[in-house]
Amino acid sequence: AQRVTQPEKLLSVFKGAPVELKCNYSYSGSPELFWYVQYSRQRLQLLLRHISRESIKGFTADLNKGETSFHLKKPFAQEEDSAMYYCAPAGNKLTFGGGTRVLVKP
Amino acid sequence: GAGVSQSPRYKVAKRGQDVALRCDPISGHVSLFWYQQALGQGPEFLTYFQNEAQLDKSGLPSDRFFAERPEGSVSTLKIQRTQQEDSAVYLCASSLAGQGPPVEYFGAGTRLSVL
Repeated sequence: AQRVTQPEKLLSVFKGAPVELKCNYSYSGSPELFWYVQYSRQRLQLLLRHISRESIKGFTADLNKGETSFHLKKPFAQEEDSAMYYCAPAGNKLTFGGGTRVLVKP
Repeated sequence: GAGVSQSPRYKVAKRGQDVALRCDPISGHVSLFWYQQALGQGPEFLTYFQNEAQLDKSGLPSDRFFAERPEGSVSTLKIQRTQQEDSAVYLCASSLAGQGPPVEYFGAGTRLSVL
């Protein structure tokens, strides 16, 4: 069965501090890996996907196939990064983790 | 419209009532997905359409849940004889790709409360 684990329910950091959101997955085959974000009062939206190898809003995500992890990182968190973040591997459909709430304090 | 549109935004139902939730995907998007998001949880897959064909309904929790997309555009998720455990946000997403994800465009959701 597909499973996605985001062990931290809440991450609270100060502005300018690094932030890392962990994601471990168990998935048959070779899924595509995504991070989705939901800002307050906004709809769920794509943040980044592994295949693009892009840095979006200063975030990067490292895929470790051996550990089946896809952790999301940002070296200097900003207040506007406060949101819910979901890790989501996908075959023909997305499988979401439980989400991590990030709170960036001034 | 520019994005995925869902209606109604909020629905309150008495236990045992039937409800119908509507999703208008982005024009031209082939794939359409329904997810259920309970409070404090991540979205969980319900069902997937490619055009009018329902290719995967493995996530529908019971036979009270039914989804259709008869003309390959608008989709309706119907829940019969609603129960309290059906209370959740129901999300619709659409994608241009015809082979499943990447699912990139989500609607704002319908929040269903069953009393």
